[in-house]
Amino acid sequence: AQKITQTQPGMFVQEKEAVTLDCTYDTSDQSYGLFWYKQPSSGEMIFLIYQGSYDEQNATEGRYSLNFQKARKSANLVISASQLGDSAMYFCAMREETGGSYIPTFGRGTSLIVHP
Amino acid sequence: GAGVSQSPSNKVTEKGKDVELRCDPISGHTALYWYRQSLGQGLEFLIYFQGNSAPDKSGLPSDRFSAERTGGSVSTLTIQRTQQEDSAVYLCASSPARGTGGQPQHFGDGTRLSIL
Repeated sequence: AQKITQTQPGMFVQEKEAVTLDCTYDTSDQSYGLFWYKQPSSGEMIFLIYQGSYDEQNATEGRYSLNFQKARKSANLVISASQLGDSAMYFCAMREETGGSYIPTFGRGTSLIVHP
Repeated sequence: GAGVSQSPSNKVTEKGKDVELRCDPISGHTALYWYRQSLGQGLEFLIYFQGNSAPDKSGLPSDRFSAERTGGSVSTLTIQRTQQEDSAVYLCASSPARGTGGQPQHFGDGTRLSIL
């Protein structure tokens, strides 16, 4: 079974609009971390944001926020005020920290295209 | 400071040849990971090092794949008798210790391997 599911292969958004990229996860661990990475066409993986399973507040980093719904096991990334430079692949990842291997598992990614 | 460095950035070789991919992690990072990313896919975990030991080799797809790490630093991923299905981008990442809390993985730019 997939531990990380990203159901949107591709998303389009108008510049300056907000966009939500979906991520659901599957774990029986109580302690885990959720990460989002951005991969532009140049190929490098850029860390965006982190949410710990015990964090009660949603994580925010500039224009990025993570909508964490623990009971639903979802960790959606919200990008506000999209910019052309946000066009990239976005990957959700989970690191299990209790009885897990501490090795992050990645979803298949969502391709985001920002239109001018 | 210097990030994760991978070499070569591109490698084209004939089927059946052996290849070596190199990863130089961030100084002081004891955890090192190898992933494989095929076109349009997410990241497939290959192997994890903590120091020089590899507690998790579960992702290596066949016995043609091997990896080592020396001096707790540089790692080499070797693929013997390459096959066309080995064509992919091979990504290396490092993190402090095994990564806890919000410590993300730091990725190199990858090696794009093409098997003719």
